[in-house]
Amino acid sequence: NAGVTQTPKFRILKIGQSMTLQCTQDMNHNYMYWYRQDPGMGLKLIYYSVGAGITDKGEVPNGYNVSRSTTEDFPLRLELAAPSQTSVYFCASSPQQGKSGNTIYFGEGSWLTVV
Amino acid sequence: GESVGLHLPTLSVQEGDNSIINCAYSNSASDYFIWYKQESGKGPQFIIDIRSNMDKRQGQRVTVLLNKTVKHLSLQIAATQPGDSAVYFCAEIRGTGTASKLTFGTGTRLQVTL
Repeated sequence: NAGVTQTPKFRILKIGQSMTLQCTQDMNHNYMYWYRQDPGMGLKLIYYSVGAGITDKGEVPNGYNVSRSTTEDFPLRLELAAPSQTSVYFCASSPQQGKSGNTIYFGEGSWLTVV
Repeated sequence: GESVGLHLPTLSVQEGDNSIINCAYSNSASDYFIWYKQESGKGPQFIIDIRSNMDKRQGQRVTVLLNKTVKHLSLQIAATQPGDSAVYFCAEIRGTGTASKLTFGTGTRLQVTL
C-alpha cells in the first residue's frame, strides 16, 4: 500500500494564482484532513472530511476550498494565493477518530511558496 | 525572514541517555493524547498514544505519562539514539466521532549528541 500520497511536493505560486493540492489514500479510510504547518509551529487543521460528500471547516479554512467526491481523494484548492499561504501542507487520513487505538496517517507534505 | 524551527524549544541529549519531552495542554475535556515524531522534510509519524483515563503507557523504548491534575503530558525515550533526532509534537483529541478535533502543540526539537 502507498498510504497517503500528496502532489506536488514543491510549488512556487505568484500572488493571485490558483492551484490544487492533490491527496489520495489507498487504505479505504473514511476520515481525511488537510493541515498546514508554518515554520517552527505545530499543524493547524484547514478542512476535514468524514466521508465522501461530507466536508467541514477546521481552525484556518479561509482562502481554501475542498471537495470529497470519492473515498480516496481529498483535493485542497487555493483560489487566490496570498503570501500568508506560504507553508507546508499535510494531508492525512484515519479509519475513524476519537476511538482507542486510532492513528492518523500523514502524507509527506507539499511545500508551497507564494511570491 | 525567520528560519524554520528557530523558536522551537530544543532539548539536547547525549546518545545513550534518557530524554524527557514535556507538553502542557489546556483543555481538561481532551480525552485522547498522541505523540508524533517529525523528521526534517517529512510528515508526522505516530509514536504512542494514551487515553485520558490512563496515567502511563509504555511502548518500545518510549513511555508516555499523563498528569491530568496539572494538565501535563510527557514523552520519555530510553537510551536515546541519533535516529531519535527530530521535532516531537503532542496532540490532543477532544470529542468523538464527527465532532472530534485533533489539535497539535508547538513542538520540541530533540538533538542527540554523540
